[in-house]
Amino acid sequence: RKEVEQDPGPFNVPEGATVAFNCTYSNSASQSFFWYRQDCRKEPKLLMSVYSSGNEDGRFTAQLNRASQYISLLIRDSKLSDSATYLCVVNQGSYQLTFGKGTKLSVIP
Amino acid sequence: SAVISQKPSRDICQRGTSLTIQCQVDSQVTMMFWYRQQPGQSLTLIATANQGSEATYESGFVIDKFPISRPNLTFSTLTVSNMSPEDSSIYLCSATTSGRGLYEQYFGPGTRLTVT
Repeated sequence: RKEVEQDPGPFNVPEGATVAFNCTYSNSASQSFFWYRQDCRKEPKLLMSVYSSGNEDGRFTAQLNRASQYISLLIRDSKLSDSATYLCVVNQGSYQLTFGKGTKLSVIP
Repeated sequence: SAVISQKPSRDICQRGTSLTIQCQVDSQVTMMFWYRQQPGQSLTLIATANQGSEATYESGFVIDKFPISRPNLTFSTLTVSNMSPEDSSIYLCSATTSGRGLYEQYFGPGTRLTVT
């Protein structure tokens, strides 16, 4: 079983749509969770840290369910500029991060 | 957050040669890491760069192939030795800062390596 699994994508959505990405992780000892965004041919950039029961930052909402070992990212009112690959990332008790393979989002005019 | 620079940004190298990638952070950081991202794949951790001591390598990566230095808190190098076409990849440096976002990592822009 892969350590961090994500929806395979790609997701093609119209501007203004709401889109949700899911992620599961295998290590129940995982302590910290993140969503990174990676644009084509660019480095990953931290989008959100995911805290205990979830958190919101503008149009972005992240949720964590420790019992189900599940993380989600919801994007409301999608913009063209949201088009990117979204990486689910899990920290497993040390400074090391484990990355999912990412879900590609294309927001269409 | 930290601002991280890498150089070179890209290189094309011949098989059998070595390339050293430099990573500079604009502030003192707690931890520095080196990752590889192969085409169409996610990031794989190569090693943790430890200041003043040998790096800690992940399974599948060895010091002879990927020697790493970290002489101070803000600078690290990764060398890709005796390169083969399979080493063609993007190599990324990352760093964590102390404080609230203890495990948040920030990435450099990457070095795109092509081995011919």
